[in-house]
Amino acid sequence: NAGVMQNPRHLVRRRGQEARLRCSPMKGHSHVYWYRQLPEEGLKFMVYLQKENIIDESGMPKERFSAEFPKEGPSILRIQQVVRGDSAAYFCASSPSSAASGRSSYNEQFFGPGTRLTVL
Amino acid sequence: QKEVEQDPGPLSVPEGAIVSLNCTYSNSAFQYFMWYRQYSRKGPELLMYTYSSGNKEDGRFTAQVDKSSKYISLFIRDSQPSDSATYLCAMSAGTGRRALTFGSGTRLQVQP
Repeated sequence: NAGVMQNPRHLVRRRGQEARLRCSPMKGHSHVYWYRQLPEEGLKFMVYLQKENIIDESGMPKERFSAEFPKEGPSILRIQQVVRGDSAAYFCASSPSSAASGRSSYNEQFFGPGTRLTVL
Repeated sequence: QKEVEQDPGPLSVPEGAIVSLNCTYSNSAFQYFMWYRQYSRKGPELLMYTYSSGNKEDGRFTAQVDKSSKYISLFIRDSQPSDSATYLCAMSAGTGRRALTFGSGTRLQVQP
């Protein structure tokens, strides 16, 4: 039973380029969350999505950042015109829907291995 | 003031010791409390999950939540060198507000 998958694991971009980070949730999970971990800082929430819907984007920077979770395929976190300050580890987490939670609570979030973005 | 406060450590203990890790928080809306373990350059791994106040035990790990004091704890019994990692507390208000708010993490080093 595969866990949360993220790719690429490492991504290097030059200033001004675009970065696309992908996340496939655990099997049976329909909720996806993105978090960012800056060097020497804690994890900060960015956005919470269900299939085809953004539920909470209160942690997303207002410019250059966007996220989607299409009906088919992985969730995508997109960063346009990257700057050096975007260098960080980006983690995706997933949780089941309340109807499908079964033994686990739908509030439990399971994390992927992260994508480490380096902006040169 | 941060919503969730956690002593960053590092905390160094000998193998076999009981470890106590703690977080305090200020938002009374938090109802769901989690502890994660994160090894260097890896993703956080969910260790314990509790809802509201009370205790929960799983193997060598015990999580305690005291909502009246806004204080949560994680105890690790018979600590092992493999427990050396950063421990993160996290919490959320739950349904409709699932975003986790994390503490800054406590680095634990268990000496063999």
